[in-house]
Amino acid sequence: GAGVSQSPSNKVTEKGKDVELRCDPISGHTALYWYRQSLGQGLEFLIYFQGNSAPDKSGLPSDRFSAERTGGSVSTLTIQRTQQEDSAVYLCASSLVSTGELFFGEGSRLTVL
Amino acid sequence: QKEVEQNSGPLSVPEGAIASLNCTYSDRGSQSFFWYRQYSGKSPELIMSIYSNGDKEDGRFTAQLNKASQYVSLLIRDSQPSDSATYLCAVRNSGGSNYKLTFGKGTLLTVNP
Repeated sequence: GAGVSQSPSNKVTEKGKDVELRCDPISGHTALYWYRQSLGQGLEFLIYFQGNSAPDKSGLPSDRFSAERTGGSVSTLTIQRTQQEDSAVYLCASSLVSTGELFFGEGSRLTVL
Repeated sequence: QKEVEQNSGPLSVPEGAIASLNCTYSDRGSQSFFWYRQYSGKSPELIMSIYSNGDKEDGRFTAQLNKASQYVSLLIRDSQPSDSATYLCAVRNSGGSNYKLTFGKGTLLTVNP
């Protein structure tokens, strides 16, 4: 079956612009995560969705970041008024709640000029 | 703050040798542990999960867990140049945020032909 799908794979934007990153999880996976990986750094948790429960937004670095998940499937991560420090690879992962094994998409590489 | 520590490396081994990758974690209540492989420019790929003390073998890979010592390791037997990658240790949090994985920063492994 299909894995986690993310788009765009690469995004170059100017400082101050808004960007949207999309994630389509593995079918049947109710848990969805966004992580961020900066150059030479570890994976930083951003947000978690599980079914219809309220998301855990505790990892979002500022109020410029927001995410939603529509219909329990596709998720969009939005970054408003992008800054250079937002440049990173944004990774989406999904899992079955029972196993906790995360399966990652190929990521969206964001470059803010 | 839950922490996962790995030696950043690089760890260099000759082809055919055993590569040993180590990880310690701070969350004493953690019950689930994962090893991911990340090739340069790619996203993390799950290679092993381990939940019980002892060894778990899958092909050339063996994961070892010692909860009393808060220590997880990954052994790669008969190392191949294609095993050259960064290996990430991930630990599932205990308590109320037990859906989160905390990742180490990874160990860079180089297998020399």
